Amino acid sequence: KNQVEQSPQSLIILEGKNCTLQCNYTVSPFSNLRWYKQDTGRGPVSLTIMTFSENTKSNGRYTATLDADTKQSSLHITASQLSDSASYICVVSSTFQTNAGKSTFGDGTTLTVKP
Amino acid sequence: NAGVMQNPRHLVRRRGQEARLRCSPMKGHSHVYWYRQLPEEGLKFMVYLQKENIIDESGMPKERFSAEFPKEGPSILRIQQVVRGDSAAYFCASSHIPAGEKVGANVLTFGAGSRLTVL
Repeated sequence: KNQVEQSPQSLIILEGKNCTLQCNYTVSPFSNLRWYKQDTGRGPVSLTIMTFSENTKSNGRYTATLDADTKQSSLHITASQLSDSASYICVVSSTFQTNAGKSTFGDGTTLTVKP
Repeated sequence: NAGVMQNPRHLVRRRGQEARLRCSPMKGHSHVYWYRQLPEEGLKFMVYLQKENIIDESGMPKERFSAEFPKEGPSILRIQQVVRGDSAAYFCASSHIPAGEKVGANVLTFGAGSRLTVL
């Protein structure tokens, strides 16, 4: 069964600090992995998308890594800001799926950045 | 480009009433997906539609729920005879899958969601 596990479930950090969120998956065969940011009361917004051949991808202060061998990904946030407070969702797609919407969603990590 | 537009943003219904949620996909997108998010939980796939066709409704409850995406106008998620357990945020996403591109590689663009509260 395809699964995506995210950790930690929630995280509190001080403004300016760095943090790393984890995503482990069992989706096979792997197509791509996406990180979304979901602000409270809003829809998810795509941060990065990574395919099998990509190890690292950055989007501003967000850096995602992918280890396709161990089926792990991480999202590193540098110099956190209050606006980074949100839920971060890891979504993994399989090459077998014929429905882009039926990718496997993690339950998200809720990040709170405090001043 | 206004993105994916959902309305209403907030909807309150009493038990037994009907709820209609609307979603206009991004310009140029012909694929629409509906998700439900219960409080403190992740997004759960409900249904995938293309214009005038339901492609995959495997995540949608068999009773009281229906979805459509007509040739003209927005996609509509309809919940009949709502119950308290239907209270949730309902998100719509859209995508465009160019010919020859792998479906799984497609990135979804989400709307801001419609929050349904059933009293």
